[in-house]
Amino acid sequence: KQEVTQIPAALSVPEGENLVLNCSFTDSAIYNLQWFRQDPGKGLTSLLLIQSSQREQTSGRLNASLDKSSGRSTLYIAASQPGDSATYLCAAEWYSGGGADGLTFGKGTHLIIQP
Amino acid sequence: ETGVTQTPRHLVMGMTNKKSLKCEQHLGHNAMYWYKQSAKKPLELMFVYSLEERVENNSVPSRFSPECPNSSHLFLHLHTLQPEDSALYLCASSQDRGLEQFFGPGTRLTVL
Repeated sequence: KQEVTQIPAALSVPEGENLVLNCSFTDSAIYNLQWFRQDPGKGLTSLLLIQSSQREQTSGRLNASLDKSSGRSTLYIAASQPGDSATYLCAAEWYSGGGADGLTFGKGTHLIIQP
Repeated sequence: ETGVTQTPRHLVMGMTNKKSLKCEQHLGHNAMYWYKQSAKKPLELMFVYSLEERVENNSVPSRFSPECPNSSHLFLHLHTLQPEDSALYLCASSQDRGLEQFFGPGTRLTVL
C-alpha cells in the first residue's frame, strides 16, 4: 500500500528562523509530489509541484526537494514569518493503468511561527 | 469567478436526506477530483474524472454518487449518509492527470 508520512506532526519556531519539514513515501516509483498549505477551515493552497524527473523546485522563500531513491521530500522555508503559520501537507501521486491515480496525502505538519 | 468554486460551503443533513455538492472550475482543466478530509485522518481521494470519464473509484460506499456532466462541473450526490460521513469535502482540478492540482474551499458536511 502506498503511504505518505510527515514528521514532525507539529512545530513551533520563533520568527526569522529557517526550517525544514519532512515527508516520506513508501513507493519510490513516484509520478509527482506536491506540497500544500491549509489554513484553518479553508481549502488547500498549492505551494510547489515536483515531477518525478526533477530534484527540486523553488518559489520565493520556499524550496522543495525530492529524493526518490530514499523515498523522501523536504520543504525548506527561509526566514519564517508569522503569516507562514498553517498546516503543511505533502501529497504524492503514482501511476496506475491509464495515468496518474490521484494524490495520497500525509497527515500534515502544523506549523506555528511565534512573533 | 476564478479558480475552483464549491457550493454549498456548509451543509447539515439528516441520514434520510438526499443532497448534492457542486464543484465548478474556471481554469479550463480536463481532470477533476473529489477528496474527503475527516478529523485526525489524512485527506482521502474519493473519485477521479478525466475528460468527463470516471477513472478511479477508491472503494467509496455507494451512498456517494459522483457525476461529471462536462469538464467544468463535478457533482457529488449524497443519500442515506451516516454520521461518520461528516467531513470537509474538497474538490480539485488539474490540467490533466498527473499535473498540479488546485483545490476549492470545500463543503463542510454535518450528518445528524
